[in-house]
Amino acid sequence: GQNIDQPTEMTATEGAIVQINCTYQTSGFNGLFWYQQHAGEAPTFLSYNVLDGLEEKGRFSSFLSRSKGYSYLLLKELQMKDSASYLCAVEDSNYQLIWGAGTKLIIKP
Amino acid sequence: IAGITQAPTSQILAAGRRMTLRCTQDMRHNAMYWYRQDLGLGLRLIHYSNTAGTTGKGEVPDGYSVSRANTDDFPLTLASAVPSQTSVYFCASSDSAGGGLGEQFFGPGTRLTVL
Repeated sequence: GQNIDQPTEMTATEGAIVQINCTYQTSGFNGLFWYQQHAGEAPTFLSYNVLDGLEEKGRFSSFLSRSKGYSYLLLKELQMKDSASYLCAVEDSNYQLIWGAGTKLIIKP
Repeated sequence: IAGITQAPTSQILAAGRRMTLRCTQDMRHNAMYWYRQDLGLGLRLIHYSNTAGTTGKGEVPDGYSVSRANTDDFPLTLASAVPSQTSVYFCASSDSAGGGLGEQFFGPGTRLTVL
């Protein structure tokens, strides 16, 4: 079966750095997405990785290792507004997204 | 309209009733999707449409139907609602013209409760 695993919840301190991991087992791989979802709102796109390595976008970076079925989202200089759920999703060989359950990130002052 | 809209925002429905959730986008995206989101589970794809006039089944299609008469609209119908269909429903769209899914843009969601 297809599976995306992420930690359920993480806590970090304002101004710090946090890494959210995602491991996957899917039928084929056409890319990995990270989305942010604030409570009660819709998911919004953060990043896309299709090749191995690190993609940096401001305070957010995303890493992919296809051979290990592993990705992480790195958030630097954490702000209170970063409190949200972070969703990992993999595009499989049928061009459908398989979603993880999300990681709820709590930022403390 | 800017982006993707859904209606209604929320609804309480008696079991056995028929219900249509509406979704409209103005970005001229060719692909559209319906997901449901339940606590502790990832988003699950119900139905999708790669282009106007075509639809396909996702992971959890039973009890739901869709149509795609034009590019902009992608309604989701529950023919006879059951309590297990209580969920938050998100419509999304993407421009997949370049191959692959691309970034998906989500509507604000419809919170549906079936009693």
